[in-house]
Amino acid sequence: AQKITQTQPGMFVQEKEAVTLDCTYDTSDPSYGLFWYKQPSSGEMIFLIYQGSYDQQNATEGRYSLNFQKARKSANLVISASQLGDSAMYFCAMRGGDAGNMLTFGGGTRLMVKP
Amino acid sequence: DVKVTQSSRYLVKRTGEKVFLECVQDMDHENMFWYRQDPGLGLRLIYFSYDVKMKEKGDIPEGYSVSREKKERFSLILESASTNQTSMYLCASSLGPLREKLFFGSGTQLSVL
Repeated sequence: AQKITQTQPGMFVQEKEAVTLDCTYDTSDPSYGLFWYKQPSSGEMIFLIYQGSYDQQNATEGRYSLNFQKARKSANLVISASQLGDSAMYFCAMRGGDAGNMLTFGGGTRLMVKP
Repeated sequence: DVKVTQSSRYLVKRTGEKVFLECVQDMDHENMFWYRQDPGLGLRLIYFSYDVKMKEKGDIPEGYSVSREKKERFSLILESASTNQTSMYLCASSLGPLREKLFFGSGTQLSVL
């Protein structure tokens, strides 16, 4: 069974600094996709960024980038220039791999941005 | 704008009641999902449907069933609600390919007393 691990239950970052949220995964299938979602206190799930296992370059979306290290099976999210509005839960998720079309989530990291 | 609508934002039920959670999407998506979210555990998949009348068990299907009679609607059923099913329930939908993201509803906070 595939597994997604987020080892940081909670993190603080100073406003305007960069922060890295860790995510490791485990699958024996070479074809999969990795997603990051943000969940603010309102509860909605907001899609941030996607990385395919065969993509040659690391994904970027505005202030979000994904540090994809396939051999190490890690897909860390980097947020540059943190803003107060970045305070939220962040979830790493994987689709494909051993679980087919299902999307499997990690336990999440709560990020708190300090002014 | 794409939309996944869950019928209730908050729901309070009694132990032993049959509970229906409804989810409707307007994007003609093939795939629909039901997750439950508990603090520290992230989102755990209950059931997944990839077509009308088709379903697959997720990680925690015990105590739940689902129904998908129409493409746009996916219902989660708690046959006999128990207190350990108190949780936030999230519905999602997506297109078929693996690189397609999931769109989520706003969630239903279910309390079973």
